Amino acid sequence: KNQVEQSPQSLIILEGKNCTLQCNYTVSPFSNLRWYKQDTGRGPVSLTIMTFSENTKSNGRYTATLDADTKQSSLHITASQLSDSASYICVVSDWSNAGNMLTFGGGTRLMVKP
Amino acid sequence: AAGVIQSPRHLIKEKRETATLKCYPIPRHDTVYWYQQGPGQDPQFLISFYEKMQSDKGSIPDRFSAQQFSDYHSELNMSSLELGDSALYFCASSLGPRTQGGNEQFFGPGTRLTVL
Repeated sequence: KNQVEQSPQSLIILEGKNCTLQCNYTVSPFSNLRWYKQDTGRGPVSLTIMTFSENTKSNGRYTATLDADTKQSSLHITASQLSDSASYICVVSDWSNAGNMLTFGGGTRLMVKP
Repeated sequence: AAGVIQSPRHLIKEKRETATLKCYPIPRHDTVYWYQQGPGQDPQFLISFYEKMQSDKGSIPDRFSAQQFSDYHSELNMSSLELGDSALYFCASSLGPRTQGGNEQFFGPGTRLTVL
């Protein structure tokens, strides 16, 4: 069964600090991995998308890494801001189906405090 | 830039009623996905359409049905509503079906359905 596990489940940091969120997956065959930011009651917003051959991808203060061998990904947030408070969801896609089957992680709930 | 549009944004229904949710994908996107997110839960994939044909099916109850129209918008029809159907329903769109390269899914703001 395809699974995506994220850690930690929740995280509180002070404004300006850095943090790293983890994602481990067992989805196979792997197609790509996405990190989404989801504010409460809103739709997920894509931060990064990485395929098998990509190790690192940055989007502003967000940097995602992917190790396809160990099936691990991380999302590093630099110089956190209050607006970074949200859930961060790791989503892995497999391509065994004609459609687009995504497996969602449980998310990490980040709270940035002043 | 145009985003995915969903309507209505909020909907309140009573048990056993029906509801129709609408999704308008980003222009030129031909693939639409529906997700259900219960309170405090992960989004669950329901169903997807590519070029007006169902392309994949997830955990969509038999009481629900969906279709994609010629203008690529999609509607999720929900009948015999139950209290447990109360959730956020997200629609996402992408350009083309999934490929090895990966197709970015862009999510709409969601429709919050409350069943009383």
